[in-house]
Amino acid sequence: GAGVSQSPRYKVAKRGQDVALRCDPISGHVSLFWYQQALGQGPEFLTYFQNEAQLDKSGLPSDRFFAERPEGSVSTLKIQRTQQEDSAVYLCASSLVATEAWSPLHFGNGTRLTVT
Amino acid sequence: KNQVEQSPQSLIILEGKNCTLQCNYTVSPFSNLRWYKQDTGRGPVSLTIMTFSENTKSNGRYTATLDADTKQSSLHITASQLSDSASYICVVRSRGGTASKLTFGTGTRLQVTL
Repeated sequence: GAGVSQSPRYKVAKRGQDVALRCDPISGHVSLFWYQQALGQGPEFLTYFQNEAQLDKSGLPSDRFFAERPEGSVSTLKIQRTQQEDSAVYLCASSLVATEAWSPLHFGNGTRLTVT
Repeated sequence: KNQVEQSPQSLIILEGKNCTLQCNYTVSPFSNLRWYKQDTGRGPVSLTIMTFSENTKSNGRYTATLDADTKQSSLHITASQLSDSASYICVVRSRGGTASKLTFGTGTRLQVTL
């Protein structure tokens, strides 16, 4: 596709429910990132994939958060037993190459998660 | 700890006026710095990249500067337009390590009014 696509655009979950957020990166992009963005804040790093390998998950806030990219393209961020503090916009970004320092990130428009 | 601080936090200017946004960083070792524009409800979009050897770079009405000695960058917007209303985020990449080593600022929220 022309850009990074994320779905759903909005998600409302009751506290305790599980949610799954999907990211379709730009075709051929090696690197894929997930970020969490609170209102009025910059994106906070969650996890990073190079193809299907999850190379860095140091930003995942708890073991309730899980991400996968099994075939090196589409990625899913899963949050189990959602809590109110999980409410945020979840941004996915992809990048063409893994090691090129000046390759820009291409962001999707995010999924706004509201936990009630 | 790597940090990126941006100022002002928010800014309101009249259409047609100029403005300058500031970014101070403590990321080390430094690789490059990008300015992103984030419209409301959208993902950030890269405006420009500054590497260690570059002092200034223009992209239309946007001009970015970098002072690697003082670890400061600025983004100057000339003849602002209503469509410039957005958050502007400074992102610094550190050299080495994994590709995930980016440090984001919290952004400057710019509102351009009539």
